[in-house]
Amino acid sequence: NAGVTQTPKFQVLKTGQSMTLQCAQDMNHEYMSWYRQDPGMGLRLIHYSVGAGITDQGEVPNGYNVSRSTTEDFPLRLLSAAPSQTSVYFCASSSGERGPEAFFGQGTRLTVV
Amino acid sequence: TQLLEQSPQFLSIQEGENLTVYCNSSSVFSSLQWYRQEPGEGPVLLVTVVTGGEVKKLKRLTFQFGDARKDSSLHITAAQPGDTGLYLCAGGTGNQFYFGTGTSLTVIP
Repeated sequence: NAGVTQTPKFQVLKTGQSMTLQCAQDMNHEYMSWYRQDPGMGLRLIHYSVGAGITDQGEVPNGYNVSRSTTEDFPLRLLSAAPSQTSVYFCASSSGERGPEAFFGQGTRLTVV
Repeated sequence: TQLLEQSPQFLSIQEGENLTVYCNSSSVFSSLQWYRQEPGEGPVLLVTVVTGGEVKKLKRLTFQFGDARKDSSLHITAAQPGDTGLYLCAGGTGNQFYFGTGTSLTVIP
């Protein structure tokens, strides 16, 4: 049971660099989302997708891009990394029928120096 | 703006004690979820509550959804060290789902 797979698990970037966080799910879920988790802030929604070809912004979208070309994959791109983007990033998927009954990946710990 | 506020933020108790954590909002949600997260892992779903006033039990954990569907509580009876973790509530409006600030629980053996 793979569930939701995120890569990489750890990453260090220099300010201004770009990178893509990968997320794949094998549960045929339509709804996928990206969150960032910072101390004392809980999880904050960055972007989400309700199906292939459809994406929308969440609570904190600035500095991030997403695309959804297939049901399985939902990559998150950091265009020009900033220290404020140092965080733990989680990808999640759900069937969307009963609210955020989501399955989460193990997270990517990103440090921007 | 944090739609879901949880309290307390931190809780440290002795094994065997009871505890309650709260999740409050000014918004009405069609459903509300509770998750537990352990260090280095993603959150794992514990329960979904849908109906105002609903009570669900999961072994020693009791979840309640407020009558107005704006708040929820999680009560743990006879806490054990294995209950240690970050407890998060989550609710949705439309296609956007929001998480609470979390309650970090430590159960001391």
